[in-house]
Amino acid sequence: AQSVTQLDSHVSVSEGTPVLLRCNYSSSYSPSLFWYVQHPNKGLQLLLKYTSAATLVKGINGFEAEFKKSETSFHLTKPSAHMSDAAEYFCVVGLTGGYNKLIFGAGTRLAVHP
Amino acid sequence: IAGITQAPTSQILAAGRRMTLRCTQDMRHNAMYWYRQDLGLGLRLIHYSNTAGTTGKGEVPDGYSVSRANTDDFPLTLASAVPSQTSVYFCASSGDWTGSVGELFFGEGSRLTVL
Repeated sequence: AQSVTQLDSHVSVSEGTPVLLRCNYSSSYSPSLFWYVQHPNKGLQLLLKYTSAATLVKGINGFEAEFKKSETSFHLTKPSAHMSDAAEYFCVVGLTGGYNKLIFGAGTRLAVHP
Repeated sequence: IAGITQAPTSQILAAGRRMTLRCTQDMRHNAMYWYRQDLGLGLRLIHYSNTAGTTGKGEVPDGYSVSRANTDDFPLTLASAVPSQTSVYFCASSGDWTGSVGELFFGEGSRLTVL
């Protein structure tokens, strides 16, 4: 069975410090992996996507994620947090199956302090 | 501005009432989806439609129905609302299903409270 585990429900960082949001997945097949971001009272927006090309994926707003098959991880990082990065982040596994089947993690809420 | 429009943005509903959440997209995407978002559970798929005239069940379809009469509209109906359907509902769309998973575009959500 496919699943996604986001290891932290809340992460708090100071502005200008690095961000690390952790995600582990379980999949029987080579998965597509995504990170989506949700700002307060908004819909979700795609940050980045991994689909078996380069293992280091760069996304919008300076975020990147590295696919590590041996660790079944897809952690999201950013070198320097900005106040506008405060949001909820979702790690997502994409599966083939006749439609865009996405399995969402429970989410990690990122707080950024001055 | 192209995108997905959901209505209403917020609604309080008495249990047992019928409710339809509306979703319209202007990106000419063939595929559309309805998700519910609950704290600590992420998003869960209720129903989907790969193209106009077809629909399918997601993870949590019970108590919900959808229709897809045309490309742009994908309404979600709660025939007889129950308190467990209190949630935030998101409509999404994506380009053609090509056998690999693509990006979903989301609306801003409809917050539904069933009392």
